[in-house]
Amino acid sequence: DAGVIQSPRHEVTEMGQEVTLRCKPISGHDYLFWYRQTMMRGLELLIYFNNNVPIDDSGMPEDRFSAKMPNASFSTLKIQPSEPRDSAVYFCASSQTGGSYNEQFFGPGTRLTVL
Amino acid sequence: GNSVTQMEGPVTLSEEAFLTINCTYTATGYPSLFWYVQYPGEGLQLLLKATKADDKGSNKGFEATYRKETTSFHLEKGSVQVSDSAVYFCALSSGSNDYKLSFGAGTTVTVRA
Repeated sequence: DAGVIQSPRHEVTEMGQEVTLRCKPISGHDYLFWYRQTMMRGLELLIYFNNNVPIDDSGMPEDRFSAKMPNASFSTLKIQPSEPRDSAVYFCASSQTGGSYNEQFFGPGTRLTVL
Repeated sequence: GNSVTQMEGPVTLSEEAFLTINCTYTATGYPSLFWYVQYPGEGLQLLLKATKADDKGSNKGFEATYRKETTSFHLEKGSVQVSDSAVYFCALSSGSNDYKLSFGAGTTVTVRA
């Protein structure tokens, strides 16, 4: 299995631009999570989906952030417009109902820099 | 709500030293407890887990025991190696039907040769 795939691995953009981060979960996994990691705030859960439906988006910082999961094998996290304070590493993770002790499998992350 | 508190780092050790990272939690019911590890430039990966009181999780020489009476899940390794240098996260989920994890702040561990 290829694991969770994220793209791009690095993104550098200018303030005000739209940014789209992509995630492909492990095949057969029905939960998908988006996290943000910064030195100041640590690891934060932004949103998670079950069977492509958003379950909890209380961690989404503001309306500039949106996430979609159009099918079981693809999800996007969009920031529009981006701001320098959005600079962080964004992780996608997936897990499977009935899987081993709710283990989440993380992707390698997307390092976002907003100038 | 659920929360996890772990000792602040960074922690710097010499090779073959003993490592302990403290983790305490607040949760209702009977949570499952986890330690995840993040190596430089990578995503998090599960290191070990425990799902009920007095369970001991172990992997790669690391151990942690689920202590309900002290609401703790401290991570230990008897002899660390340079390759153990990483960030360690304690985490919990509320129960078998809760797939959301609450993470601690992470502890950075550096092992010197």
